Amino acid sequence: DIQMTQSPSTLSASVRDRVTITCRASQSISTWLAWYQQKPGKAPNLLIYKASSLQNGVPSRFSGSGSGTEFTLTISSLQPDDFAIYYCQQYNSYPWTFGQGTKVEIK
Amino acid sequence: QVQLVQSGAEMRKPGASVKVSCKASGYTFTAYYIHWVRQAPGQRLEWMGLINPTSGGTDYAQRFQGRVTMTRDTSISTAYMELNRLRSDDTAMYYCARVNKGYCSGGTCYVYTMDVWGQGTTVTVSS
Repeated sequence: DIQMTQSPSTLSASVRDRVTITCRASQSISTWLAWYQQKPGKAPNLLIYKASSLQNGVPSRFSGSGSGTEFTLTISSLQPDDFAIYYCQQYNSYPWTFGQGTKVEIK
Repeated sequence: QVQLVQSGAEMRKPGASVKVSCKASGYTFTAYYIHWVRQAPGQRLEWMGLINPTSGGTDYAQRFQGRVTMTRDTSISTAYMELNRLRSDDTAMYYCARVNKGYCSGGTCYVYTMDVWGQGTTVTVSS
């Protein structure tokens, strides 16, 4: 199975900060990587697919980059609604696997 | 609007079975796979498997092989996930999600991931 590792596990930031989360795959996954946002008690919400494509309806302050084994999610100007847990997920091969999550909390 | 609506919370004893439903609306049920993902308390998301609503074909994660069965009823646009021989560590939130089947054209293949999720079903396993 492909292992997905995110860093950091927790990130403390303020509104309007620029935030970057990293995701590493244990082997190359090309650009078959997605990012999700999850809030307490809710299902994950797709933000980014194919490493850098913004899902319809997702604010443009979210962006993704990377290929192969290293990927990043950037929030250009953190908003109050963005405090949540973020997961990366590979869909290069089954079983699909997720990172352990990065909690973005208020500083 | 496009949505997946799951059945309500379940409580079971160890060794029992549970069957969770996922009803699709707002899109053509057979145009998308249905995947199942679970999340134990404080843990990462875990992919369990998928079903092709058109054929009924399935693909399960190895760790659930022999314990999970995914089915569908196209007449009511509903997918089901049944987990048998429940253990306490099966206590989790279970989600269904749809995935566009994708296609290949001109040498390029378009692969998709989970874009719409159900609200989740809590399954608690306790004696």
